[in-house]
Amino acid sequence: GEDVEQSLFLSVREGDSSVINCTYTDSSSTYLYWYKQEPGAGLQLLTYIFSNMDMKQDQRLTVLLNKKDKHLSLRIADTQTGDSAIYFCAESKRDSSASKIIFGSGTRLSIRP
Amino acid sequence: NAGVTQTPKFRILKIGQSMTLQCAQDMNHNYMYWYRQDPGMGLKLIYYSVGAGITDKGEVPNGYNVSRSTTEDFPLRLELAAPSQTSVYFCASSYGTGKRGTEAFFGQGTRLTVV
Repeated sequence: GEDVEQSLFLSVREGDSSVINCTYTDSSSTYLYWYKQEPGAGLQLLTYIFSNMDMKQDQRLTVLLNKKDKHLSLRIADTQTGDSAIYFCAESKRDSSASKIIFGSGTRLSIRP
Repeated sequence: NAGVTQTPKFRILKIGQSMTLQCAQDMNHNYMYWYRQDPGMGLKLIYYSVGAGITDKGEVPNGYNVSRSTTEDFPLRLELAAPSQTSVYFCASSYGTGKRGTEAFFGQGTRLTVV
């Protein structure tokens, strides 16, 4: 099964808050990330959280981590049209001696007026 | 720093042809990755490398090969192109250690179509 799971689509009204959810399977993950992909572009790191934290806030972004349920969420306050993108949840996962990054399938956020 | 540079940006291949996707980074990152992103889908890890001379398979390695002779370069080779390899390919690199852990920096992608 998938290591990192996300819903595929989310539609919100401009000015409302967006909440994008993600579940992961590896309880030993060290870092969890949110990446943003705008149309025709590569991925860019939006924010990240270390596994010993519950919450991290960065301007309009709030990341919540529930380690017990292996659930990560990204809240975008006052969502704007420029927030339209695909948002990927990712975990850094240890595999023997190496770390690799595993991505979810991405959530496409669309903003309606 | 240029970051992660991928070439070419676009390519059309015929079934059975071969090609190499180039990836270079100038950030002295140890870790490098190749992902593919199929239309409307997420990223699947093809191969990764934790340093020069070391490569390892990801989730979908079949039909691909990689090499890592230098820290900077991590080319991806398709030997016998198949329509199933039509995708957008992303190269990424990361420090692998430190405060930001394994934050990955991505190239702009190579859009490959196999006909």
